[in-house]
Amino acid sequence: DIQLTQSPSFLSASVGDRVTITCRASQGISTYLAWYQQKPGKAPKLLIYAASTLQSGVPSRFSGSGSGTEFTLTITSLQPEDFATYYCQQLNRYPSWTFGQGTKVEIK
Amino acid sequence: EVQLLESGGALVQPGGSLRLSCAASGLTFSSYVMSWVRQAPGKGLEWVSGISDSGGNTYYADSVKGRFTVSRDNSKNTLYLQMNSLRAEDTAVYYCAKDGTFWSGYGYYYYIDVWGKGTTVIVSS
Repeated sequence: DIQLTQSPSFLSASVGDRVTITCRASQGISTYLAWYQQKPGKAPKLLIYAASTLQSGVPSRFSGSGSGTEFTLTITSLQPEDFATYYCQQLNRYPSWTFGQGTKVEIK
Repeated sequence: EVQLLESGGALVQPGGSLRLSCAASGLTFSSYVMSWVRQAPGKGLEWVSGISDSGGNTYYADSVKGRFTVSRDNSKNTLYLQMNSLRAEDTAVYYCAKDGTFWSGYGYYYYIDVWGKGTTVIVSS
């Protein structure tokens, strides 16, 4: 099975900060990666798919990059509503889809 | 607007059974692959099961294989998850999810673009 490791697991940041979250795959997955945002008590929300394609309606301050085994999610100017937990998901080999363990972004 | 509404979550004893349902609206349900994803308390997301648009192909995580069965009734726009031999580690919020696809010109990309609000399953004596 393909394992995904996110780093950091937790980060503390201020409004306006640039934030980068990394997701590393245990084997190459091309660009078959998605990113989700989840707020407490809510379902996840799709942000990015195919590693770098922004889902419709998602603010442009979110961006994704990478291929193979290393991927990043960047938030260029953190807004109050961005404080949440972020997950990457590999969709390289259906049906064995897996998620990273999550990165919690909290207010400094 | 596409909506997914799960139901059927409950408190059940270890070894027991439960059937979850997911009613879909606002989409041509029979056109989409569907999934179940769960989240244990305070933990991350775990993909549990998927089913093709016709229902002819089903897929499971190793952790539930042989115990859970996914099915769908396209005439009722409803997805199901039959859970048998439940264990404490199955305790979680279970989300119904719609799979999206994107053709890049070279291949299909998948993602989950619509999620239900979730239904809670607690396995405890």
